[in-house]
Amino acid sequence: RKEVEQDPGPFNVPEGATVAFNCTYSNSASQSFFWYRQDCRKEPKLLMSVYSSGNEDGRFTAQLNRASQYISLLIRDSKLSDSATYLCAVMWSGNTPLVFGKGTRLSVIA
Amino acid sequence: GAVVSQHPSWVICKSGTSVKIECRSLDFQATTMFWYRQFPKQSLMLMATSNEGSKATYEQGVEKDKFLINHASLTLSTLTVTSAHPEDSSFYICSANYGRDRGSSGANVLTFGAGSRLTVL
Repeated sequence: RKEVEQDPGPFNVPEGATVAFNCTYSNSASQSFFWYRQDCRKEPKLLMSVYSSGNEDGRFTAQLNRASQYISLLIRDSKLSDSATYLCAVMWSGNTPLVFGKGTRLSVIA
Repeated sequence: GAVVSQHPSWVICKSGTSVKIECRSLDFQATTMFWYRQFPKQSLMLMATSNEGSKATYEQGVEKDKFLINHASLTLSTLTVTSAHPEDSSFYICSANYGRDRGSSGANVLTFGAGSRLTVL
């Protein structure tokens, strides 16, 4: 069965902290990788795609390790507004649906 | 940007009734839409892939006679929960393939509707 695994957390960190999440996937032929953010009782919103060479968007950095089949998300200088559930998602190929991990809950504390 | 409109946002119904959820792509055509379900503190689980003009493809364990999917046009897909029971209470979300990521990933990007929270009494 194709799966995406994440540590559910919760991660409770103080403001300003750096926090990292990892996600593993089972299908080595997977083509596309994403991090989504989901607030309570809302739909997931795309945070960032994960590029093969790694990519950064402000305080957020995503990395892909194909050899070990995992992706990571690093959040620097955490803000209270970063509190949410972070879902990794993998697309096996082309026009296939996203397969989501269970999500990692982050709480940033003042 | 791409917008997927989903309604109703909330619905409460009695056990045994049927509920229809609509998902519309507002500014693009979606030949394929995906329907997900999310129980509390669980991940989004794919229920089915809706294909315009043809039958939907259901995931293992999802009853096609209970969850009727119709994708009659390039901008509209509907999910009908028939004879709903309390265990069907969940958050139902649709998504559509909008196109390719403008960055170097080149990946297909899915855009999501706002979700429909169903409570069956």
